[in-house]
Amino acid sequence: NFMLTQPHSVSESPGKTVTISCTRSSGSIASNYVQWYQQRPGSAPTTVIYEDNQRPSGVPDRFSGSIDSSSNSASLTISGLKTEDEADYYCQSYDSSNRNWVFGGGTKLTVL
Amino acid sequence: QVTLRESGPALVKPTQTLTLTCTFSGFSLSTSGMCVSWIRQPPGKALEWLALIDWDDDKYYSTSLKTRLTISKDTSKNQVVLTMTNMDPVDTATYYCARIPASGGSCYGSWFDPWGQGTLVTVSS
Repeated sequence: NFMLTQPHSVSESPGKTVTISCTRSSGSIASNYVQWYQQRPGSAPTTVIYEDNQRPSGVPDRFSGSIDSSSNSASLTISGLKTEDEADYYCQSYDSSNRNWVFGGGTKLTVL
Repeated sequence: QVTLRESGPALVKPTQTLTLTCTFSGFSLSTSGMCVSWIRQPPGKALEWLALIDWDDDKYYSTSLKTRLTISKDTSKNQVVLTMTNMDPVDTATYYCARIPASGGSCYGSWFDPWGQGTLVTVSS
């Protein structure tokens, strides 16, 4: 079993770039794909990145994902920040050993 | 267009059993590789994966909650049902169902998309 750890909150100004990290506690981050979900207040989550770095249709290319084996972490980068990007962001991966899906604790992004 | 909708009681008493239904459209759970899952989110807290059922009727549960959960499907009605026994106030949460599309022929390791709107369940006497 592993955990995914995210910073509790990040903030940045409109037009800037922000990166949210997601660190896997054990096992390789590259073992299973990482997904990222955006959740605005009062709404269900929606996918912004799947399979480490793929964007669903309709998600702007300001959103990008990557993994770094040296830090055993995944990252979500949002460039050209807009006020509408203000939301909670969750990373998610899969534990093959017990067929459980694992979520990070979520990061609150404030754009101010 | 794929849609999912959760339904069930808004209020349950401690020790009771919760039964939630996910009614979906736009896909079939008899399609090879397809899965449906339940996820919950206590107010102000993180998402927590609960259970999954696949096209072949295989079922998997959260390690921490598996003794209390049962998932089942009715393919003819396009429904997936989750039961959770011995409800406690800490189980107060919004419960979501979500499709897990097949990736590489299997949903295992894939992502949740789309999600239902969620249904808030409060556990209180």
